Amino acid sequence: GAVVSQHPSRVICKSGTSVKIECRSLDFQATTMFWYRQFPKKSLMLMATSNEGSKATYEQGVEKDKFLINHASLTLSTLTVTSAHPEDSSFYICSATGDRFLDTQYFGPGTRLTVL
Amino acid sequence: DAKTTQPTSMDCAEGRAANLPCNHSTISGNEYVYWYRQIHSQGPQYIIHGLKNNETNEMASLIITEDRKSSTLILPHATLRDTAVYYCIVRVAGGGADGLTFGKGTHLIIQP
Repeated sequence: GAVVSQHPSRVICKSGTSVKIECRSLDFQATTMFWYRQFPKKSLMLMATSNEGSKATYEQGVEKDKFLINHASLTLSTLTVTSAHPEDSSFYICSATGDRFLDTQYFGPGTRLTVL
Repeated sequence: DAKTTQPTSMDCAEGRAANLPCNHSTISGNEYVYWYRQIHSQGPQYIIHGLKNNETNEMASLIITEDRKSSTLILPHATLRDTAVYYCIVRVAGGGADGLTFGKGTHLIIQP
């Protein structure tokens, strides 16, 4: 299988600050990366889809100006939570597909964000 | 993508086979059945997928009924580390650019 990493694994920040989360595909080129959010005891919810070199496509109800996504290379996508508030506290998980894994998404380990 | 139905939770004794069912009665001919699992506070882990033939890999076996309206994921010798939420997801072949829709899954608890 493919390996996807995320950094940081957990982050605590103050309300009003911005936080950047990185997602990397370590052993394949990810033409498409996805960002999900998971609240406690809930299932993963897709936030956005990004293709390398293109603007991300956001799901309904997800604010594109608040959750900035950049997919500048075939191995890296970043999610920036701007002006974070306590309600943004959640588990953020990325996944990637591409190269020889066209139909299967491989997930990163997730980033736990806590906004105080 | 077709909707899936899974039991909310299941228990299984350590060392025994864990059989996790999934109903997908509205599945289309070009839709695959995928299984992922999520161990607490980790990202989902891909397990296996199939179209209509039974599939086996180092982690599990996937049995799909002939009418494709249901499937069973089999963990042959469950260990405590297999305790997780297991998600059955149906998606169109070639849908690599589409995000996955996660249901509530089955919380499998392996008992010592």
